[in-house]
Amino acid sequence: DTEVTQTPKHLVMGMTNKKSLKCEQHMGHRAMYWYKQKAKKPPELMFVYSYEKLSINESVPSRFSPECPNSSLLNLHLHALQPEDSALYLCASSRKGTGELFFGEGSRLTVL
Amino acid sequence: AQSVTQLGSHVSVSEGALVLLRCNYSSSVPPYLFWYVQYPNQGLQLLLKYTTGATLVKGINGFEAEFKKSETSFHLTKPSAHMSDAAEYFCAVSDQTGANNLFFGTGTRLTVIP
Repeated sequence: DTEVTQTPKHLVMGMTNKKSLKCEQHMGHRAMYWYKQKAKKPPELMFVYSYEKLSINESVPSRFSPECPNSSLLNLHLHALQPEDSALYLCASSRKGTGELFFGEGSRLTVL
Repeated sequence: AQSVTQLGSHVSVSEGALVLLRCNYSSSVPPYLFWYVQYPNQGLQLLLKYTTGATLVKGINGFEAEFKKSETSFHLTKPSAHMSDAAEYFCAVSDQTGANNLFFGTGTRLTVIP
């Protein structure tokens, strides 16, 4: 069982909807990540939070809005998405300096 | 800048045969190297990692990899393939500055033939 929990596992939304993806870890890790993965492609880094502060934003469109309410939680708020945003969204966490990321099972998003 | 190249997007082996998945890296600083496995509709699971020390690292499920600095390689091997090894495998590199940015290769899909 993964120690990074993502909800929901599946999400279908229209282009005008507002929804959120949630991620939780209780390993005491202070770095948390959002990745986007399209079919048959490697994960692409979107955001990194370090000690609850946004440290990396890989030029992601503003229709994706991350939030880190505390050291255990990471959210990804979605608004006005496009069909091409359909993908598997992976959350990960790490103990800073180790380079090793622990991934959740992902949230599969479909935008109609 | 760091990057990894995985040679072969698809590899097929017979059950019981040797598995060899290739990964070459590029890094201007000493790297941390990783192999992750992804089963269908799941997240990524760490197979093994190299940080410092012993260059031959052993991971889960009988996999191992050897860090060869002179060849800038970190190939993944397993002596005998099982049907359950069929999955997507990603090589990844990060640096030792603590930034924890992982750079993934394009992945290799392993098929195991009964």
